[in-house]
Amino acid sequence: QVQLVQSGAEVKKPGASVRVSCKASGYTFTTYPISWVRQAPGQGLEWMGRIRISSGYTKSTQRLQGRLTMTTDTSSNTVYMELRSLTSDDTAVYYCAKGRGVMGDSFDYWGQGTLVSVSS
Amino acid sequence: SYVLTQPPSVSVAPGKTASISCGGDNIGRKRVQWYQQRPGQAPVLVIYHDTDRPSGITERLSGSNSGDTATLIISRVEAGDEADYYCQVWDSINDHPKWVFGGGTKLTVL
Repeated sequence: QVQLVQSGAEVKKPGASVRVSCKASGYTFTTYPISWVRQAPGQGLEWMGRIRISSGYTKSTQRLQGRLTMTTDTSSNTVYMELRSLTSDDTAVYYCAKGRGVMGDSFDYWGQGTLVSVSS
Repeated sequence: SYVLTQPPSVSVAPGKTASISCGGDNIGRKRVQWYQQRPGQAPVLVIYHDTDRPSGITERLSGSNSGDTATLIISRVEAGDEADYYCQVWDSINDHPKWVFGGGTKLTVL
């Protein structure tokens, strides 16, 4: 069965960086893209960016460009998300999500979420 | 950028039908997805491409999309349907693809 397992909760100080991992299993890893979606406390879902596993090609929302990096390790079926220059506004649960279909216009499997808390 | 508008909350009695709207400019020309999110859990895809249900999703959930409004319909509502529901579309302008979510609707079962 398809599973996305994320790394554990993180506590960071403002200005620091955070790296969250997402290990995939149960499907052909290189076929489908992975997106990152975050959810601030009590708020809705925000798409952050996407990586095509086969090419490593990435797209991210303009408001995070310059701070967000997504990479992949095909030897371990793992995707990484790094967010730099953290502020309290980045406090959120971060999800990885598998694209449904090659185009990935929707997300059919999600990781369990990783809470990132940013506080001085 | 493209904006999706959902009502913050919808209330419905058990056994009745709930409708959750998702408004967007000419949304009928886009493919709409719906996600269910229970408290403390990750979202679950319940409707994709306007009307299709993933395997394992109850037939009580259905979707429609026309004009400026897409709608998620939950028939014979049960207590377990109480959750937040989000609509989502894929949008691309000037080769900048992005995935847009509505603000979410909290469904309360009375």
